[in-house]
Amino acid sequence: AQSVTQLGSHVSVSEGALVLLRCNYSSSVPPYLFWYVQYPNQGLQLLLKYTTGATLVKGINGFEAEFKKSETSFHLTKPSAHMSDAAEYFCAVSDPPPSGGSYIPTFGRGTSLIVHP
Amino acid sequence: KAGVTQTPRYLIKTRGQQVTLSCSPISGHRSVSWYQQTPGQGLQFLFEYFSETQRNKGNFPGRFSGRQFSNSRSEMNVSTLELGDSALYLCASSLVLAGVLTQYFGPGTRLTVL
Repeated sequence: AQSVTQLGSHVSVSEGALVLLRCNYSSSVPPYLFWYVQYPNQGLQLLLKYTTGATLVKGINGFEAEFKKSETSFHLTKPSAHMSDAAEYFCAVSDPPPSGGSYIPTFGRGTSLIVHP
Repeated sequence: KAGVTQTPRYLIKTRGQQVTLSCSPISGHRSVSWYQQTPGQGLQFLFEYFSETQRNKGNFPGRFSGRQFSNSRSEMNVSTLELGDSALYLCASSLVLAGVLTQYFGPGTRLTVL
């Protein structure tokens, strides 16, 4: 069974500053990892995902995340925060699907990113 | 392609009533999952349907049920509503891409139980 811990329910940064949202996971097998963003009154949008291969994954809106197996982490970063990045961010983990592609991801509790002008 | 559609977007019910929520997935997607999102519990998986069959189920009471039609549209039903059922209910339409099941979420239905 997998689990996800997102450190910090709220992260506050100034516009232009580095964004770092932390995610640690536990899984009995090499996991698939995801970051989603949720804007107010909207559903979740996939930012990026790690399945296999390169451990540094680039996503949309300038975000990237690095899979570190030794640290069981998948932290999300962005070099320079923009006001429009203010939203709720969710990390999710799943086990690779069996043939047929069925899996159920486990989501973290979310981190609210606040961007100050 | 059009995105995932959920109807209605907002719903107010009273305790003891029942409710049906609808989800239309992206064309060509055969898997639909449902999630309940609350401030206290976060995102919790309800169930997943694939080709009209429930393939996975979360830890929710039997009051929560769902179904999927031949056109992949899905409905979820909650009977005998309780105050604690107030939540944002999200539907995710899924597709297997390069062996990975990728989910696309709808905007959700905000259910308020009074």
